[in-house]
This record gives sequence, structure tokens and C-alpha cells, in this order.
Amino acid sequence: AQSVTQLDSQVPVFEEAPVELRCNYSSSVSVYLFWYVQYPNQGLQLLLKYLSGSTLVKGINGFEAEFNKSQTSFHLRKPSVHISDTAEYFCAVSLTRFGAGTRLTVKP
Amino acid sequence: NAGVTQTPKFQVLKTGQSMTLQCAQDMNHNSMYWYRQDPGMGLRLIYYSASEGTTDKGEVPNGYNVSRLNKREFSLRLESAAPSQTSVYFCASSGYSYNSPLHFGNGTRLTVT
Repeated sequence: AQSVTQLDSQVPVFEEAPVELRCNYSSSVSVYLFWYVQYPNQGLQLLLKYLSGSTLVKGINGFEAEFNKSQTSFHLRKPSVHISDTAEYFCAVSLTRFGAGTRLTVKP
Repeated sequence: NAGVTQTPKFQVLKTGQSMTLQCAQDMNHNSMYWYRQDPGMGLRLIYYSASEGTTDKGEVPNGYNVSRLNKREFSLRLESAAPSQTSVYFCASSGYSYNSPLHFGNGTRLTVT
């Protein structure tokens, strides 16, 4: 069985501050991990994915995530956020298990 | 490219009414999915179709049926709508590989009164 836990439902930050959105997973099989972003009234878009290889994965819009097998985590980070990063972010393991989402609000 | 197109964008139903949500993709993807999104619960898989001619239940299939009409189209039907089915519904597609990412439509906001 696979499951995903996003540890924060809301994360408010100021513009240009760093941010980390936390995601823990459990899986009894090989994992494929994804982060998606959802802007208001839109569908989800892929930010980045981990399939294998390097544990540090770079995505679009300056985001990156680190796969940590021992901690069963896949946290999303950005060193300096912009107002336009305000959105909901979803962590997923495989194509069928999503976390509950983290709403990132970037304040001026 | 249009990607994944869902219709309608909004719908209001009375309890007991039926309706079909339509989804089409133009990316030649083999797999298609229907999810529902509810506040605080993320996305939950209703049904999926790994390839044309096959469909399988996901996490929350009760009250729904699906049809994979051809490679492009995957519809979701509510035979007798209930207030618990008030939600935002997303269709998605992915390539043949099981680690291919999902491409989503813009969703259908359904309210059942």
C-alpha cells in the first residue's frame, strides 16, 4: 500500500524568503514521486518528479526537491519565493496517491 | 495543443439526476484517469483506464461509472447524483510508462443540491 502525508496544510511566507513544503510517503514497492502545483481555477501541473538516480531533483520555476529514502521524505524547496508562487502544492507517490495539499501564500 | 479538455466546466444537479462528464486528450496517451478533489483531502482516484478497452476502479468508485470510448475520450457518469458527490472533478492522462507524469484538465465543478 502507498500513502502520502503533507505535513503542513498552509504555509505563509514573505516574498523573497525561502520555503520548504514537507512530504512524507510510505510504499512497499519502488517509489516514483511527484510534486504538482495548482493555481486557482486550474488543473494540476507537474513541477518535478523523482524516478531514480540523483536524489536532488530540479523542477520548473526554481523549485527543487530532495528524495530521502531513510526518512521516507520528498520535501520541496525554493530559495526565494515570488508572489506568483502562491498556489496549492500536491505531493504524489505514483499516479494514484496524492497528499492533501499545502497552500502556499506568498505575502509582499 | 489543447492537452486535456473537460466539459462542462460547471454543473448544478438536483439529487437523483444523472449526468456525464466528458474528457478528451490529444496527446496520444494510453492511460486516462478521473479524480475528485475535496477540501483537505487532496485528489482521490475514482476510476482509471490503463489502455483503450480497459477500466479499473480506484479509491472511491461508488456511485460512478466510466466509459473509455476510444483512445482519446474517457467519460464519467453519475447515474443518480447525491450531495456527497459535490466536488471538483479532474480528468488526467499519462503516457504508457507507469512513471509518466499526469497531464490534467481544468476541472468540472459539480454541485448537487
